[in-house]
Amino acid sequence: DVKVTQSSRYLVKRTGEKVFLECVQDMDHENMFWYRQDPGLGLRLIYFSYDVKMKEKGDIPEGYSVSREKKERFSLILESASTNQTSMYLCASSLGQGKMTNTGELFFGEGSRLTVL
Amino acid sequence: AQSVTQLGSHVSVSEGALVLLRCNYSSSVPPYLFWYVQYPNQGLQLLLKYTSAATLVKGINGFEAEFKKSETSFHLTKPSAHMSDAAEYFCAVSTYIPTFGRGTSLIVHP
Repeated sequence: DVKVTQSSRYLVKRTGEKVFLECVQDMDHENMFWYRQDPGLGLRLIYFSYDVKMKEKGDIPEGYSVSREKKERFSLILESASTNQTSMYLCASSLGQGKMTNTGELFFGEGSRLTVL
Repeated sequence: AQSVTQLGSHVSVSEGALVLLRCNYSSSVPPYLFWYVQYPNQGLQLLLKYTSAATLVKGINGFEAEFKKSETSFHLTKPSAHMSDAAEYFCAVSTYIPTFGRGTSLIVHP
């Protein structure tokens, strides 16, 4: 069974802390994504990666960075957490079809709910 | 550029009634279209996808969607709602980077 695993389901952090959200997939997928989900706003793309060490900004990259040192692992980093980053974070992966195409199904993790106090 | 509009943030139906969730899209190239479902405290899972093979697409749990190019729509339907269908539903379009709609919460009354 295919699986995307997010390391923490619930986190509580303080303003200014550095936060790491980890995501691992076991499907040998080329593409990996980080989305932020907020009520009424749907899913907004933060970053995505189409290969190891390759990344592209999504719609809302400010305040976030990512790391992809290995194909199966994609980390989201909040350098200095702020209260407006309190949200649900969803990691996803998909089979790669080349950098300029992404027409396949996304497989999602269960999400990491982050609260910043 | 691509975008997705889901009409109605909440849809309420009685158990056994028809479910209709609306999705309109815009895309500069022929799109791939998806419907995902999210149950409480879970990630999203695929319901069905349109990849140009057939305009009427059947998915899991009795859901189906029809691609109408002239209306740029991809509405999701189910003939008879079940209590277990209560969830958040997301329409998505993808050519390069997947873009999601804002979601529609389906409420099913007994």
